[in-house]
Amino acid sequence: DAGVIQSPRHEVTEMGQEVTLRCKPISGHDYLFWYRQTMMRGLELLIYFNNNVPIDDSGMPEDRFSAKMPNASFSTLKIQPSEPRDSAVYFCASSFGGHGGELFFGEGSRLTVL
Amino acid sequence: SQQGEEDPQALSIQEGENATMNCSYKTSINNLQWYRQNSGRGLVHLILIRSNEREKHSGRLRVTLDTSKKSSSLLITASRAADTASYFCAFHGSGNTGKLIFGQGTTLQVKP
Repeated sequence: DAGVIQSPRHEVTEMGQEVTLRCKPISGHDYLFWYRQTMMRGLELLIYFNNNVPIDDSGMPEDRFSAKMPNASFSTLKIQPSEPRDSAVYFCASSFGGHGGELFFGEGSRLTVL
Repeated sequence: SQQGEEDPQALSIQEGENATMNCSYKTSINNLQWYRQNSGRGLVHLILIRSNEREKHSGRLRVTLDTSKKSSSLLITASRAADTASYFCAFHGSGNTGKLIFGQGTTLQVKP
């Protein structure tokens, strides 16, 4: 398996623009997680899905952020409109079985909002 | 905050020395995991220790868990320059949810 695939790897955009980050989890995994990593706040869980259903989105910063998982092999994280403070590395991870299972991470999408 | 706390934040050692990183948490847990992150890369799972285990080994890695003190340690023996990375502990928060919470990490530099 190719592992968790994220795109784009790097995104530079201007404040106010819409940003869409994409993730393809490992086939057969039933949990998908979106994390954000910054120097100041470390790794923050934004939202996670189980069997394509959002379970906990309490980490989503505000209404500008939304995430979808239309099927078991694809998820998106959208920021609209983007702001400079959204600059971070966004990671997608997947796992099988949820509670206690190891997470498999993608290589991340580095977002810079000017 | 439910985040774990790790210390030290940064550690610099010579190749061949041992490196010890510590993690403390506040909730009850089912297991605790350790991950490694090379610069600019995603996190990679290293080892998982269950709440009923006290010690676990994997190659040059040794993990201990003390649930009474709510703490864990990761020991890397005979370190190599290639071990240079950030190391994170992670655990599930209270309520037995699928939510995996990460510590702030320890940045390890191993000098050749």
